[in-house]
Amino acid sequence: SQKIEQNSEALNIQEGKTATLTCNYTNYSPAYLQWYRQDPGRGPVFLLLIRENEKEKRKERLKVTFDTTLKQSLFHITASQPADSATYLCAPVDVEYGNKLVFGAGTILRVKS
Amino acid sequence: DAGVIQSPRHEVTEMGQEVTLRCKPISGHNSLFWYRQTMMRGLELLIYFNNNVPIDDSGMPEDRFSAKMPNASFSTLKIQPSEPRDSAVYFCASSPKGLGTQYFGPGTRLLVL
Repeated sequence: SQKIEQNSEALNIQEGKTATLTCNYTNYSPAYLQWYRQDPGRGPVFLLLIRENEKEKRKERLKVTFDTTLKQSLFHITASQPADSATYLCAPVDVEYGNKLVFGAGTILRVKS
Repeated sequence: DAGVIQSPRHEVTEMGQEVTLRCKPISGHNSLFWYRQTMMRGLELLIYFNNNVPIDDSGMPEDRFSAKMPNASFSTLKIQPSEPRDSAVYFCASSPKGLGTQYFGPGTRLLVL
């Protein structure tokens, strides 16, 4: 069955440092992968989408990589700020499964000032 | 744009009662998704619709759960009879045609006593 694994423990980093979050998947052949941010008491918010033929995607301080050989995506936040503290969810999309999203459990990021 | 609208935001009910959750998707979006989120199981897809037609309800836990989408601007998720294990946050999301980026509502926090 499909499996998505994200950092199981919370990631605590110091303000200004780069945060790196990991998303590994098995039994999937995603055509693309999405990353979402979720704040407490709110719904997830879309951040970035990366296609299988793209190695890297950037948006402001965010960078996502996608390695279909390793079956892994990395999500980086550079120059992190306390406001970046949230839960980050990855969702690979396999078109064989009708473009529906299956979310990982998420990684809690805490940025301390 | 008002975003995805869900009601009620909070619902407290007693075991055995019927619960109806409501969702208004973003105008022009042709896909609608219902999710359930708990600490134990994370964010789970229950059912999704394309152009008001249910496409995949494999995530619906049992016959006590039903969902309808009578038109492009309204959907309901009904639980009858409700049980304490149904307590969770229920999210509705909508998506425009294409790569499936989803826009989530604020969620309905359900507590079944």
